[in-house]
This record gives sequence, C-alpha cells and structure tokens, in this order.
Amino acid sequence: DIQMTQSPSSLSASVGDRVTITCRASQNINIYLNWYQQKPGKAPRLLIYAASSLQSGVPSRFSGSGSGTVFTLTISGLQPEDFATYHCQQSYSTPRTFGQGTKVEIK
Amino acid sequence: EVQLVESGGGLVKPGGSLRLSCTASGFTFSSYWIHWVRQAPGKGLVWVSRINGDGNNTNYADSVKGRFAISRDNAKNTLYLQMNSLRAEDTAVYYCARESQSNSRCFDSWGQGTLVTVSS
Repeated sequence: DIQMTQSPSSLSASVGDRVTITCRASQNINIYLNWYQQKPGKAPRLLIYAASSLQSGVPSRFSGSGSGTVFTLTISGLQPEDFATYHCQQSYSTPRTFGQGTKVEIK
Repeated sequence: EVQLVESGGGLVKPGGSLRLSCTASGFTFSSYWIHWVRQAPGKGLVWVSRINGDGNNTNYADSVKGRFAISRDNAKNTLYLQMNSLRAEDTAVYYCARESQSNSRCFDSWGQGTLVTVSS
C-alpha cells in the first residue's frame, strides 16, 4: 500500500497569511494526488485534483503543485472560511490512501 | 445536482451486523465507481471499499476484508455496505463518495455520512 504523509499535522495562521501544506507519498504516484477540505461535522469537499487542477467553484487562492512523491497545497491569503482540516489522497492505486490530515487553526 | 445520501447507521453490539445504504441522484449512477470511506472520531479519512458501475468488480481494505460486503442496485440508484462481525474499531462516520470519470480518479462528490457506533 502507498503511504501518504502530511506535514505539518496542524498549524496556526492569521487571516491573510499564505499557508503551505506538504504531502509525501511513499512511492512515485505521478500526479495522482488530490486535496480535500473538511470542516467539523461535514463531509470532505474536493479542492484540487491531479495535483494542480482546481475543482469547479473552488476559489483561486487555493493552488496545488508537485509530482512524483512530493506535493504541496498553498492557500494564498487565508480567509475565515478556510479554517478547516485538509486531506491529501493518492488515486494512483487501490487502496486509495489518505494523509493523516492537517488542521488549519486561527492564530 | 449530484447528491449522495447515506443511511442505516446506528448503535450495534460487538459481533453484530449492520447494512448501510447510499442513495444517489442527479447523475447516471450505473456509470460510476462508488467508494466507501470512513472516519473514526477525531481521526483521519480511511478508504474502505469500492465497486464498479456494473457491480462485478469490488475491492476492500485489509481491515474489513471477509467481514464487509459492498454491492449496488442500479435500478434503485443505491449502494450498500453490509457490515458483519463488527468490532469497536469499526466505529466511525461512513461516507459514500463518487469517483470522477476523469483520469484523475478523484472523489468529486460525497454524501453527508452516517455514524456507526460499535459498543456493548
């Protein structure tokens, strides 16, 4: 199984900050990497697919990059509604493993 | 509008059984792979199982293999997860999710989840 490791596990940031979350795969997954946002008590929501493609309706302050084994999610200009947990997921092979999540909290 | 609605969760004793349902609308259900993903309280997302559009190809996480069975009824636009021999560690919110038809294979739509609690 492919292991996905996110860092950091949590971070504190202020509105307007630039935030970067890293996701590492235990083997080469090309660009089969997706990012989801989850708010408390809610289902995950797709933000980024194929490492860098923005899902329809997602604000352009969200961006993704990377290929192979190292990927990043960047939020440029954090907004109050962005405080949430972010999950990466590989879709290269089954089982479709997720990272452990990164909780973005208000500083 | 694409919608997935889970049901069937509840409290069950260890060793018991439960069947979850996921009812879909707003898209051609039979054309999509559908997955189950679970999340234990305060923990991350864990993939559980998947089934193809025809229902003849399934996969399971090692942790549920032999105990859980995924199936679908395309005439009813409904996905199922039969869960047997339940354990305390199966306690979680269970989500169904649709796999995109694009090459990315991302999960582009999710249900709201249903809570399964395994406890005596």
